[in-house]
Amino acid sequence: NAGVMQNPRHLVRRRGQEARLRCSPMKGHSHVYWYRQLPEEGLKFMVYLQKENIIDESGMPKERFSAEFPKEGPSILRIQQVVRGDSAAYFCASSPLRGMNTEAFFGQGTRLTVV
Amino acid sequence: EDKVVQSPLSLVVHEGDTVTLNCSYEVTNFRSLLWYKQEKKAPTFLFMLTSSGIEKKSGRLSSILDKKELSSILNITATQTGDSAIYLCAVVYDTNAGKSTFGDGTTLTVKP
Repeated sequence: NAGVMQNPRHLVRRRGQEARLRCSPMKGHSHVYWYRQLPEEGLKFMVYLQKENIIDESGMPKERFSAEFPKEGPSILRIQQVVRGDSAAYFCASSPLRGMNTEAFFGQGTRLTVV
Repeated sequence: EDKVVQSPLSLVVHEGDTVTLNCSYEVTNFRSLLWYKQEKKAPTFLFMLTSSGIEKKSGRLSSILDKKELSSILNITATQTGDSAIYLCAVVYDTNAGKSTFGDGTTLTVKP
């Protein structure tokens, strides 16, 4: 079991470009969570998805950010028209059960740098 | 507003010392509290606590939840340099929606 796979590990974008972050959950896991970690801060919840459904997106900024978890393929976190403040580490976690009331396994993260 | 507060924010000790990290929370509909260790990259799971007063133990690490005090502690005995990391506390407070809030973490540095 390869664990939660995120790619790319590092992503550099110029202001105004789009960033696409991918997350493949662990085998058998159908619940995916995205978190953002700013320097010197903890993990901030962004969105919780199941296959083809967004369960909770209360932590997502209202504009420019979107997430999906299609029936086939990885979950995608998309940031349009990136700004410097989007620079952060984005972590994805997956779990086998509904809700995070269990051990959730994290990917290695994608470090986004906006220049 | 739901929140999780960890203390201290950072801690420097020498090998062999014992440390206690704190996590306090204010959430509605508490479900569980989880501890993670974050070194270079991804947080790795340490413990999940749901019942008050029951200690979870793994080697030199142990943790206990106090629901009355809305807090948890993580103890590390006989610290080693490899324990240097950020220790994150997360509280799950709405199982159906998968909501969890993380504290800002305690950065532990263990010097030889």
